[in-house]
Amino acid sequence: EAQLVESGGGLVQPGGSLRLSCAASGFTFSSYWMHWVRQAPGKGLVWVSRIKSDGSSRSYADSVKGRFTISRDNAKNTLYLQMNSLRAEDTAVYYCARDSDNSGWGLFDYWGQGTLVTVSS
Amino acid sequence: SSELTQDPAVSVALGQTVRITCQGDSLRSYYASWYQQKPGQAPVLVIYGKNTRPSGIPDRFSGSSSGDTASLTITGAQAQDEADYYCVSRDSSGNPFVVFGGGTKLTVL
Repeated sequence: EAQLVESGGGLVQPGGSLRLSCAASGFTFSSYWMHWVRQAPGKGLVWVSRIKSDGSSRSYADSVKGRFTISRDNAKNTLYLQMNSLRAEDTAVYYCARDSDNSGWGLFDYWGQGTLVTVSS
Repeated sequence: SSELTQDPAVSVALGQTVRITCQGDSLRSYYASWYQQKPGQAPVLVIYGKNTRPSGIPDRFSGSSSGDTASLTITGAQAQDEADYYCVSRDSSGNPFVVFGGGTKLTVL
């Protein structure tokens, strides 16, 4: 059974940085697009970023473009999200999700449990 | 970028049928996928494609689409179906974005 486990969340000051990790197991990680999705407290789900199976294509929501960087290490079966210049509005639970659609358009069949990022002074 | 619009809240009597809708330009060209999220839990895929249920999803869940509107129907709603439901599709403006609807809170009375 596929499993995704996020880590790296925590409290960070505005303007600070944080790197999230998502450890994958139970499937061939290098064959799938992967995404980050976030959810602010009491709010809806919002797509953040995606990366192709081999890392050759990446996309970002306008709200994080230029500040966040998605990456992956297929040898370590791990997905990353480097978050810089953090703002209060980035406060959310961050989920990693596997995309079962070969084109990477958001058919999320497995999700992690989420990691909470709080941006506050 | 495109948007997907959902009603914020819908209610249904126990055992009755409810339809949750999602409207957006991208749905004229692409199917939506639907996710159920219960409090404190990660979302779960319940419907994708034309009308496909992943393994383990009860057959009371079904999907359909017409024009710019996708629908998730629950036939014979159960108490455990009370949750938030989100539709997802791709951006229709040529941007490489995935788009979520705002979500619908389903209450089973």
